[in-house]
Amino acid sequence: EVQLVESGGGLVQPGRSLKLSCAASGFTFSNYGMAWVCQAPTKGLEWVASISTGGGNTYYRDSVKGRFTISRDNAKNTLYLQMDSLRSEDTATYYCARHAPVGISDNWFAYWGQGTLVTVSS
Amino acid sequence: DIVLTQSPALAVSLGQRATISCRASESVRSSMHWYQQKSGQQPKLLIYGASNLASGVPARFSGSGSGTDFTFTIDPVEADDIATYYCQQSRNDNTFGAGTKLELK
Repeated sequence: EVQLVESGGGLVQPGRSLKLSCAASGFTFSNYGMAWVCQAPTKGLEWVASISTGGGNTYYRDSVKGRFTISRDNAKNTLYLQMDSLRSEDTATYYCARHAPVGISDNWFAYWGQGTLVTVSS
Repeated sequence: DIVLTQSPALAVSLGQRATISCRASESVRSSMHWYQQKSGQQPKLLIYGASNLASGVPARFSGSGSGTDFTFTIDPVEADDIATYYCQQSRNDNTFGAGTKLELK
């Protein structure tokens, strides 16, 4: 069974940093691109960042470029999101999600974790 | 960015058909996917590639369309289907529609 378990969320002051983790199990982690998707309270879904299977290619939405860094450790089956210079508008639940299988020229999010809440407030 | 437009809400009776539309600001070919999100839960993939049913998803759910106009259908609607439904395009980066909340009449 595919499982994605996020951790690391919490209350943080504006301008500070936070690092999220996503522990993956039930599949060969290194065979799949991974992503972070966020959802502000009572709002819709927003893609944040994606990373290729080996970690060599990363992609970000414009509003987080230069502030957030997505990475992965395939030996530990873990995905990360380093969040720096946090702003109040970054307040959201952050979901870890698995992309479509390698070799598929499309990118849907086949599995999602339960999410971790990040609150940016003084 | 490609903008996806969905109606905010749809009221439907149990046993009837529910049709949700998603319009893209430019062509996404068939790179359109649909998700269900129930209150307090993570999203769940239902349809990928515009019309392909995800594993384990009941055949009551279906999707169609290409280019800029897409449709997601539930027929017949069951009580467990009450949720918010999101479309997502992956043609150019990834963007989601604002969601359509399915409600009971």
